[in-house]
Amino acid sequence: ETGVTQSPTHLIKTRGQQVTLRCSSQSGHNTVSWYQQALGQGPQFIFQYYREEENGRGNFPPRFSGLQFPNYSSELNVNALELDDSALYLCASSLDGNPYFGPGTRLLVL
Amino acid sequence: GIQVEQSPPDLILQEGANSTLRCNFSDSVNNLQWFHQNPWGQLINLFYIPSGTKQNGRLSATTVATERYSLLYISSSQTTDSGVYFCAVSGGGADGLTFGKGTHLIIQP
Repeated sequence: ETGVTQSPTHLIKTRGQQVTLRCSSQSGHNTVSWYQQALGQGPQFIFQYYREEENGRGNFPPRFSGLQFPNYSSELNVNALELDDSALYLCASSLDGNPYFGPGTRLLVL
Repeated sequence: GIQVEQSPPDLILQEGANSTLRCNFSDSVNNLQWFHQNPWGQLINLFYIPSGTKQNGRLSATTVATERYSLLYISSSQTTDSGVYFCAVSGGGADGLTFGKGTHLIIQP
């Protein structure tokens, strides 16, 4: 158990729709990052939030956006879903640079 | 960006065997971590090891930062060690972790 939870565990959406994934960080962890893991690949960094501000971003388009809230929860929003967005989405929270990952949300886009 | 290569990509061993997994990275890093991903997708931190050697039970890791590689050693393998082992690095700040493609380890009884 890492103390990081994510919801929902699984989700099926249709191409063009929008989706919101949620993450609850460990208490006191002021940094949250999100990763996308396609089947058979390593996770890829989407973006990072520190004290409710985005302070780092990987090679993902603007239709991937996020929010971090004062209660250590966060959201990943994806607009205009594409088939290639089908993946496992992982969030990780940290206080000292050592990330603790949640169990992930499996998104399938049809 | 930093490139991370892991080898071997796949490894099948009998229970009780020892194994060495390798991670090469292309630039200097201030963060290197090893993770184990179980069949349900959960990533578990094994080591935070930007340099030096650490041991935790049957697992140990060594990072030689000047030569840009890290090794993960698993001794006396158990079936529960099966899964994918990832090496991930970061150059610092808000870069996020760059993961390798992983080593898929299968321990047979």
